[in-house]
Amino acid sequence: DAGVTQSPTHLIKTRGQQVTLRCSPKSGHDTVSWYQQALGQGPQFIFQYYEEEERQRGNFPDRFSGHQYPNYSSELNVNALLLGDSALYLCASSRDPSSGNTIYFGEGSWLTVV
Amino acid sequence: RKEVEQDPGPFNVPEGATVAFNCTYSNSASQSFFWYRQDCRKEPKLLMSVYSSGNEDGRFTAQLNRASQYISLLIRDSKLSDSATYLCVVDSNYQLIWGAGTKLIIKP
Repeated sequence: DAGVTQSPTHLIKTRGQQVTLRCSPKSGHDTVSWYQQALGQGPQFIFQYYEEEERQRGNFPDRFSGHQYPNYSSELNVNALLLGDSALYLCASSRDPSSGNTIYFGEGSWLTVV
Repeated sequence: RKEVEQDPGPFNVPEGATVAFNCTYSNSASQSFFWYRQDCRKEPKLLMSVYSSGNEDGRFTAQLNRASQYISLLIRDSKLSDSATYLCVVDSNYQLIWGAGTKLIIKP
């Protein structure tokens, strides 16, 4: 049983470019959340997708957008990249958005903006 | 004030020592609480959930004090392999709010 898989694992982009990160949830999970983790910080919640809709959103600008497909996989898109967007982007999946269910993280995508 | 605050680290302790991590949260309506462990350049992994009655898993004990909005994690007989960053996590309205983490370094 594959866990949460993310791609790419590492990438380097230039300021102003756009990036798309991908996530496949753990089998049986229908909810996907995205987090940004800067060095030395805890993960910061970006948004959560359930039933192909954005259910919740953290304090991130509109440059951060996402999508969830019918197979529950998800994408995170970031436009007009800034140096400060350099971080580890984590995808987490769970069975449903209610609290108490264990969430599982992918290994993350390391984004460096130069 | 941050929603979830943890002790600033790092903690440098000798192998075999007992280590205590503290965490406070600001949303009194929070319902679920967790401790996660994160190794360097790896994803966070659930260490244990925190229940109102307190819970223990081997060398690890978690406590919750709702009145003080305080969570703790105790590690007894620490091992070299316990070296990691420990993150306190609070569920508020189905959104996980993370502390910045406390780095633990166990020395032989």
